[in-house]
Amino acid sequence: AQSVAQPEDQVNVAEGNPLTVKCTYSVSGNPYLFWYVQYPNRGLQFLLKYITGDNLVKGSYGFEAEFNKSQTSFHLKKPSALVSDSALYFCAVRDIRGNTPLVFGKGTRLSVIA
Amino acid sequence: DTGVSQNPRHKITKRGQNVTFRCDPISEHNRLYWYRQTLGQGPEFLTYFQNEAQLEKSRLLSDRFSAERPKGSFSTLEIQRTEQGDSAMYLCASSLGPGSHGYTFGSGTRLTVV
Repeated sequence: AQSVAQPEDQVNVAEGNPLTVKCTYSVSGNPYLFWYVQYPNRGLQFLLKYITGDNLVKGSYGFEAEFNKSQTSFHLKKPSALVSDSALYFCAVRDIRGNTPLVFGKGTRLSVIA
Repeated sequence: DTGVSQNPRHKITKRGQNVTFRCDPISEHNRLYWYRQTLGQGPEFLTYFQNEAQLEKSRLLSDRFSAERPKGSFSTLEIQRTEQGDSAMYLCASSLGPGSHGYTFGSGTRLTVV
């Protein structure tokens, strides 16, 4: 079975400081990994993905994520946070084998304080 | 193409009534997914279609729930005899193939059962 853990319900960071939102996953085989962002009363917007290749992937709005197979992690990072980054962030995983749908974590609320 | 469209955006209904939601995916996407999101939780998978065929249903999809995608284009999700526990955001997403590059989500339909 596939699963995702986002251990932090809330992350607070000062504007201009680096941010990290944590994610660990579990799949039987190799993973496809994704980060999505959700603003109030909206659907999910794609930020970035890891399919294969470089462990550091870059995405939208200056976000990046590092795939670590040994730690089964895919933490989301940004060097300098903006107030407009405040939102709900979801990590998702699916096994590259088969047709299983994406499984999402419960989300982490990021609050960037001016 | 303007992305995935969901209607209505909001629905308030009395307990025991039936409701139907519609999702129009990106036209070239052959897969369509329904997820449910409750407050403080990540999206939970309900069901998905490849073209008009419904390929998988979650245990969350009780016999009061039914989904169709009759011509492999738009999809409807119907909830019969609604209960207060059905109050949630219902999200639709689409992808080309199994979604190795992620899904595109609609803005969701927020259901409130009173």
